Amino acid sequence: EPEVTQTPSHQVTQMGQEVILRCVPISNHLYFYWYRQILGQKVEFLVSFYNNEISEKSEIFDDQFSVERPDGSNFTLKIRSTKLEDSAMYFCASSVGGGGYTFGSGTRLTVV
Amino acid sequence: SQQGEEDPQALSIQEGENATMNCSYKTSINNLQWYRQNSGRGLVHLILIRSNEREKHSGRLRVTLDTSKKSSSLLITASRAADTASYFCATETGTASKLTFGTGTRLQVTL
Repeated sequence: EPEVTQTPSHQVTQMGQEVILRCVPISNHLYFYWYRQILGQKVEFLVSFYNNEISEKSEIFDDQFSVERPDGSNFTLKIRSTKLEDSAMYFCASSVGGGGYTFGSGTRLTVV
Repeated sequence: SQQGEEDPQALSIQEGENATMNCSYKTSINNLQWYRQNSGRGLVHLILIRSNEREKHSGRLRVTLDTSKKSSSLLITASRAADTASYFCATETGTASKLTFGTGTRLQVTL
């Protein structure tokens, strides 16, 4: 069964550093997403991406965040200057639209 | 209440019993989905029910949707210890098709 692949599975970074989280969505999916889950809390929507542009973003997705699809397979989330409160599990997801989503297994980001 | 709230927050049952989790939401939806998450792991899609559907089955899972009450329930029949996990409902809204997750129900199935 096709999978969404996320790398790395765990990243530790110092406050103020830039991080790039990587995702390979399912190849025939058209919509791509990033969600995050702070420990013990619910999963929160960050951003959706379609047709090479952001289609919607949440209040969480401020100027520190950016997304990119640099080639035909990768979908990345960049956090420019990490803060302690950015520590969370970040999930990438993809969908064909109007149906179920496939989530990756997540990247656990720890900002120290 | 927030979009997508589950109850109970936690549920402990014995193996073989049925588990029922409920989800309420506030706005109109395209569909409602249920996901499972083992501790510290990724989200696994279980089942999707569209706004024009009332009931759906998949194996030991049964989902109902009542759009007039803006609520859904997930029934897991003949539970197993391996069903121990957190279960989240998520509503899909709007044209950008984003998901709004609920707060989750932690299910513990004991032998």
